[in-house]
Amino acid sequence: GQNIDQPTEMTATEGAIVQINCTYQTSGFNGLFWYQQHAGEAPTFLSYNVLDGLEEKGRFSSFLSRSKGYSYLLLKELQMKDSASYLCAAMDSNYQLIWGAGTKLIIKP
Amino acid sequence: IAGITQAPTSQILAAGRRMTLRCTQDMRHNAMYWYRQDLGLGLRLIHYSNTAGTTGKGEVPDGYSVSRANTDDFPLTLASAVPSQTSVYFCASSAETSAHNEQFFGPGTRLTVL
Repeated sequence: GQNIDQPTEMTATEGAIVQINCTYQTSGFNGLFWYQQHAGEAPTFLSYNVLDGLEEKGRFSSFLSRSKGYSYLLLKELQMKDSASYLCAAMDSNYQLIWGAGTKLIIKP
Repeated sequence: IAGITQAPTSQILAAGRRMTLRCTQDMRHNAMYWYRQDLGLGLRLIHYSNTAGTTGKGEVPDGYSVSRANTDDFPLTLASAVPSQTSVYFCASSAETSAHNEQFFGPGTRLTVL
């Protein structure tokens, strides 16, 4: 079957660094997406990885290991506005996204 | 402003009633999707359309139908609503159904079936 696993909730301190992990099992693989979703709002795109390695985009970076079925999202210099849910989604062989339940990130001052 | 709009924003519906959720995009995207989001679960795909005139079933299609008469609109219909269809519904679109095509989401419709 197809499955995405990520932690339900994480807590971090303003100004710190946090890593949100995601493991996936899909029928075929066409890339790994991370989205941010603030409470009561729509998901918005953060990053896409299809090759192994680290992709850096400002304060956010995303890593992929295809052989391990593993990705992480790294958030640096945390700000209060980063409090949100972070959704991991893997694209299967039919180009459909399989979504994790999301990781709720709580930032404390 | 380019993007995706959904209507209504929220709705309370009696069980057994018919309801159509509307979705319109102005980005000329070929692919469109309907998801439901329930607490503790990931987004689940209900139906999708790779291009105007075609539709396909997702993970949880039962009780829902869609049509794609043109590029811009992708309505979702609940023929006879049941309480288990209480959820937040998101419409999304992407330029193509292929790798590296991010999906853009509408603001969502919060539906309660009593």
